[in-house]
Amino acid sequence: LAKTTQPISMDSYEGQEVNITCSHNNIATNDYITWYQQFPSQGPRFIIQGYKTKVTNEVASLFIPADRKSSTLSLPRVSLSDTAVYYCLVGETGGGNKLTFGTGTQLKVEL
Amino acid sequence: DTGVSQDPRHKITKRGQNVTFRCDPISEHNRLYWYRQTLGQGPEFLTYFQNEAQLEKSRLLSDRFSAERPKGSFSTLEIQRTEQGDSAMYLCASSLSGWLAGGGSYNEQFFGPGTRLTVL
Repeated sequence: LAKTTQPISMDSYEGQEVNITCSHNNIATNDYITWYQQFPSQGPRFIIQGYKTKVTNEVASLFIPADRKSSTLSLPRVSLSDTAVYYCLVGETGGGNKLTFGTGTQLKVEL
Repeated sequence: DTGVSQDPRHKITKRGQNVTFRCDPISEHNRLYWYRQTLGQGPEFLTYFQNEAQLEKSRLLSDRFSAERPKGSFSTLEIQRTEQGDSAMYLCASSLSGWLAGGGSYNEQFFGPGTRLTVL
C-alpha cells in the first residue's frame, strides 16, 4: 500500500480556506485517494474520494495533479466545528479494501 | 437506519478477563470491518468480513482475538485473557461495495462510535 505523508498539525481561523496536502510518491495505478475526518471519541467519517484532477462535494474539494504523487484537501470557510483529525488514505477501492490510516493532520480552528 | 452501532461504548475490565464487543452494521451493507485505535494514532485494521465469511485477518489479531459474523449481519469481537496492551478504542465499520461511474470500485466505509476498552 502506498505510504502517505501529511503535516502533523495545522491551525486556522474561522472563515478561512484550509488546504491540507498529502504526499504519496509511490501511488499505484489502481489506487484511489480518500480523505476521512475524525472527531474525538468518534469513528472516522468519509469526506471525499478521487482518482485524478478535481473532485468537489458539498463539504470539500480534492485536487490531484497529473502525476498523482500528491493531493490537496481543500476545506472552504472553516468553522470551529471543523476542528478534527484529517486522514489521507491511498489504496485500491476494490477487494477487501481495508483502510490504512497514518497519524493524520490535527486541524485546529480558532475564532 | 441510523448508522453503525456498537455496544458497549465503554468497557473496563481486569487483566486476564474475557470481553466481547458487538457491532451492528448498516443493514444492507455486506462488508464489515474491525479496527483498533490507540491514542494519537490512526485506526489499525484488524479483520474484515464479506457477508458471514471472514476474509482477512491482520497479524495484529493474535490468537486471543476472535471475530464472528454468524448470519452476515451483526458481528462480535472477543478478546480472551485481556492484557493491558489491549486497551484501545475498537472501531467497527461497514460498507456496501459498488462501482464508480467510469470504472473502478467504490467502498466508502461507515464507522460506528467505537468501544473504548480499558484493561486494568
